[in-house]
Amino acid sequence: GQSLEQPSEVTAVEGAIVQINCTYQTSGFYGLSWYQQHDGGAPTFLSYNGLDGLEETGRFSSFLSRSDSYGYLLLQELQMKDSASYFCAVKGRTGANNLFFGTGTRLTVIP
Amino acid sequence: ETGVTQSPTHLIKTRGQQVTLRCSSQSGHNTVSWYQQALGQGPQFIFQYYREEENGRGNFPPRFSGLQFPNYSSELNVNALELDDSALYLCASSLGTGGDEQYFGPGTRLTVT
Repeated sequence: GQSLEQPSEVTAVEGAIVQINCTYQTSGFYGLSWYQQHDGGAPTFLSYNGLDGLEETGRFSSFLSRSDSYGYLLLQELQMKDSASYFCAVKGRTGANNLFFGTGTRLTVIP
Repeated sequence: ETGVTQSPTHLIKTRGQQVTLRCSSQSGHNTVSWYQQALGQGPQFIFQYYREEENGRGNFPPRFSGLQFPNYSSELNVNALELDDSALYLCASSLGTGGDEQYFGPGTRLTVT
């Protein structure tokens, strides 16, 4: 089976940098994704790591260490609109891109 | 390019009833996955359809069933509704089953009373 752990809540100041950690336990590992979900909205894709290292997309970066079963999402230059829930997710199995999600981290950006 | 759409937006049903939720995948996408998201939780995978065939199923009982049509739209059917079925039901589409990104619809909020 799969289990993913994230902090439940994080608060950060506008303009700052915040890191959201994710540790996972899976029977097989096929990649770690990050999704953002605003209240009442649909999850939207932010980033994917299939191999170790850092992926950068604008203000967002994601890191993966497969040996540590660990990843993180880094948000820079925080904006008020970044207040949302952030989920890490692992692929279910090879040949299927269904996702197993963590419980999510609620990020609150304050002025 | 049309995104993923779902209907209805909200639905209220009584315990024991049956419900059908619908999803139109993003243009060109042939794979649809369904997720259940309880309040304050992450989405949980129900099942996936690829080219009209089920391609994986999560830990949900058989009263959760689905279909995919030739135009790649999909339905989620839930029989014998229980109070715990109250949740946001999300549909996600992708091109093929090997991609890294899924595109989610806005969801259907189901309330079972």
